[in-house]
Amino acid sequence: KNQVEQSPQSLIILEGKNCTLQCNYTVSPFSNLRWYKQDTGRGPVSLTIMTFSENTKSNGRYTATLDADTKQSSLHITASQLSDSASYICVVSSGGGSAGKSTFGDGTTLTVKP
Amino acid sequence: EAGVAQSPRYKIIEKRQSVAFWCNPISGHATLYWYQQILGQGPKLLIQFQNNGVVDDSQLPKDRFSAERLKGVDSTLKIQPAKLEDSAVYLCASSSRGLSDSYNEQFFGPGTRLTVL
Repeated sequence: KNQVEQSPQSLIILEGKNCTLQCNYTVSPFSNLRWYKQDTGRGPVSLTIMTFSENTKSNGRYTATLDADTKQSSLHITASQLSDSASYICVVSSGGGSAGKSTFGDGTTLTVKP
Repeated sequence: EAGVAQSPRYKIIEKRQSVAFWCNPISGHATLYWYQQILGQGPKLLIQFQNNGVVDDSQLPKDRFSAERLKGVDSTLKIQPAKLEDSAVYLCASSSRGLSDSYNEQFFGPGTRLTVL
């Protein structure tokens, strides 16, 4: 059964600090991995996408890494801001085209305090 | 480009009542998804449409939930009768994924928050 596990479940940090969120998956066959940011009361928005051959991708202060051998990904947030307070969801997709399926993690809730 | 539209944004009903949610995807997007997101959890796929055909409805509780996407554009999700455990946010997403696109980026609407009393 395809699974995506995220840790920690929740995290509180001070504004300006860095943090790293973890995602472990057992999804086969692997197609791609996305990190989504979900603000309270909103739908998820894609931050990054990584395929099998990519091991690092950045989007501003967000940097995602992928280790396809150990089936782990991380999302690093640098110099956190209050607006980073949100849930971060790891989504791993298998297959492709109309046969592809996406498995969602339960997310990490990040709270950035002033 | 307009995003995915959903209505209503909030709904409060009593158990055993019925409710319907509406979704209008991004123009031109062939694939439409309905998700249920319980507080503190990730979205769970209920049903996926490709144009007006169902691709996956394996996790849709068909005794009480139904969905349709007539004409392959907008879609409605209905619950009848509702139970307490149906309290959740119902998210609609769309993607332009075709047979050759494996990147699966889904664009989500703001969701409908359902409370069943």
